[in-house]
Amino acid sequence: DAGVIQSPRHEVTEMGQEVTLRCKPISGHNSLFWYRQTMMRGLELLIYFNNNVPIDDSGMPEDRFSAKMPNASFSTLKIQPSEPRDSAVYFCASSNRGLEQYFGPGTRLTVT
Amino acid sequence: DQQVKQNSPSLSVQEGRISILNCDYTNSMFDYFLWYKKYPAEGPTFLISISSIKDKNEDGRFTVFLNKSAKHLSLHIVPSQPGDSAVYFCAASVGGSQGNLIFGKGTKLSVKP
Repeated sequence: DAGVIQSPRHEVTEMGQEVTLRCKPISGHNSLFWYRQTMMRGLELLIYFNNNVPIDDSGMPEDRFSAKMPNASFSTLKIQPSEPRDSAVYFCASSNRGLEQYFGPGTRLTVT
Repeated sequence: DQQVKQNSPSLSVQEGRISILNCDYTNSMFDYFLWYKKYPAEGPTFLISISSIKDKNEDGRFTVFLNKSAKHLSLHIVPSQPGDSAVYFCAASVGGSQGNLIFGKGTKLSVKP
């Protein structure tokens, strides 16, 4: 299995632009998670889906952030408009009815 | 309010010696704990876990100890190898909840040859 796939690996954008991060979970996994990692706050859960349904989005920082999972093999995290404080590494993870989550390589986002 | 704390941001150990990484938690409802390892430019990878009904779990060179009364867990690596150099994250969960893993901020381990 290829593992969790994220794209792009790096994204540099200007403040105010829309950013879309993409994730393909491991085939057969029924849960998908979006995390953000910063020096100040560490690894924070933003939102997670179970069977493509959002279960907990309490970690989404603002309305500028939105996430979708249209099918079992694809999810997006969108930031619109982006701000410099959104600069971070964003991870997607998936799991299969267990607590061990498998992480993708991350997307490093820089907003200037 | 940090529910999972890794108070040592970094640790340096000589190759062949023991590495001990510590983690404290505040929520007594946590009943499952995990350790993840992260190399630069990669995502965290699952290393070892322990349920609150146990006080020790061992997997090769890696052993996790849980002290529920102290709300403390530790990861022991024996013997340490240069390839173990990475950031180690402690994580905890409540009630077997699949969704909500609470992570510590990580400890950077450097194993010197």
